Amino acid sequence: DIQMTQSPSSLPASLGDRVTITCRASQDIGNYLRWFQQKPGKSPRLMIYGATNLAAGVPSRFSGSRSGSDYSLTINSLESEDMAIYYCLQHNEYPYTFGAGTKLELK
Amino acid sequence: QVQLKESGPGLVQPSQTLSLTCTVSGFSLTSYSVHWVRQHSGKSLEWMGRMWSDGDTSYNSAFTSRLSISRDTSKSQVFLKMNSLQTEDTGTYYCASLWFAYWGQGTLVTVSS
Repeated sequence: DIQMTQSPSSLPASLGDRVTITCRASQDIGNYLRWFQQKPGKSPRLMIYGATNLAAGVPSRFSGSRSGSDYSLTINSLESEDMAIYYCLQHNEYPYTFGAGTKLELK
Repeated sequence: QVQLKESGPGLVQPSQTLSLTCTVSGFSLTSYSVHWVRQHSGKSLEWMGRMWSDGDTSYNSAFTSRLSISRDTSKSQVFLKMNSLQTEDTGTYYCASLWFAYWGQGTLVTVSS
């Protein structure tokens, strides 16, 4: 199975900060990488698809990038509504696998 | 608009079979795949399998021997059946579609006697 190593597991940040979350794939997954946001008691919400494409309705302060096997989600100018857990998902190869999650919280 | 909704028993006894239904609206099961994803409480997400738009299925090998996904296109429903349930199968089960752009609200399943 492809391992998605996500870091950090916890990320304390202040409003207005720029933050970056990273997933490293254990094998080549091309750009078959998605990012999700999940708030307590809610279903995951698609934020980024194809590693770099913003999903519909997602604020432009969110962006995705790729450098080799490292995939990053960056949030510019953090807002209170961004506090959540973020997960990456590789869907290049079965079984699809998620990262362990990054909990973004107020410092 | 696109909607998915999971339904099923909240409590299942150990060694029994779990049966869940995902009822969709706003799109056709013959056009898009439907995935099943599980989440243990406070933990990450786990992809279980998918029903393809052509009726084919793909499974996570971690579940292959006890997981079955089927559908009834006339009712816009996708079914998950998993046997030999254990306490570690306790969690929230989601169905998702349109390449994970849409998710159901999830259904909590507790495996306990």
